[in-house]
Amino acid sequence: EVQLVQSGAEVKKTGESLKISCKGSGFRFTFYWIGWVRQMPGKGLEWMGIIYPSDSDTKYSPSFEGQVTFSADRSISTAYLHWSSLKASDTAMYYCARLFCTNSSCSYDSWGQGTLVTVSS
Amino acid sequence: SYEVTQPPSVSVSPGQTARITCSGDALPKKYAFWYQQKSGQAPVLVIYEDKKRPSGIPERFSGSTSGTMATLTISGAQVEDEGDYYCFSTDSRGNPVFGGGTKLTVL
Repeated sequence: EVQLVQSGAEVKKTGESLKISCKGSGFRFTFYWIGWVRQMPGKGLEWMGIIYPSDSDTKYSPSFEGQVTFSADRSISTAYLHWSSLKASDTAMYYCARLFCTNSSCSYDSWGQGTLVTVSS
Repeated sequence: SYEVTQPPSVSVSPGQTARITCSGDALPKKYAFWYQQKSGQAPVLVIYEDKKRPSGIPERFSGSTSGTMATLTISGAQVEDEGDYYCFSTDSRGNPVFGGGTKLTVL
């Protein structure tokens, strides 16, 4: 069974750093891109970008470029989302998702349970 | 930046047909995908490549496209189908984008 398990909820203060994780199982982690999606409280889904764990190639949405960093440790099938200095506006639920590609398209077919990040001053 | 536009809400009675639209200039050439998100849960893919249904998704869910509009149809909507539905596609350069989401109420 394909599974993505994310790390637990975090409560942090503005200016602090944070790294959350997404561990894959039931599939060859290095064969798939992993995407990150933000959902602010009461709002919709926002595509943040993707990482290819095999070589850590990354693609960021312009809205998130420079604000976050994606990384991965393929030896433990885990992808990470990192902030160096949190802002209150980073308060949101963050999802990781596997990008499954056919010959004609790609879609996010499996999702993590989400990690709630709360940032306060 | 490119946007795909959905109505904020759709409401139907149980057993009726619910239709949720997604409008975008690139949709004639780019696939639409649909995700269902129930309260407090992660999104689930219900339609991919405009009209294909992943295994495990009930047959009452279907997708279609016409010009710059994609439509998710739920035939005989059930109370358990309540939630938010998101259209997902890409612009002409392949940059991904989610629609703003549509809240489906079945009551």
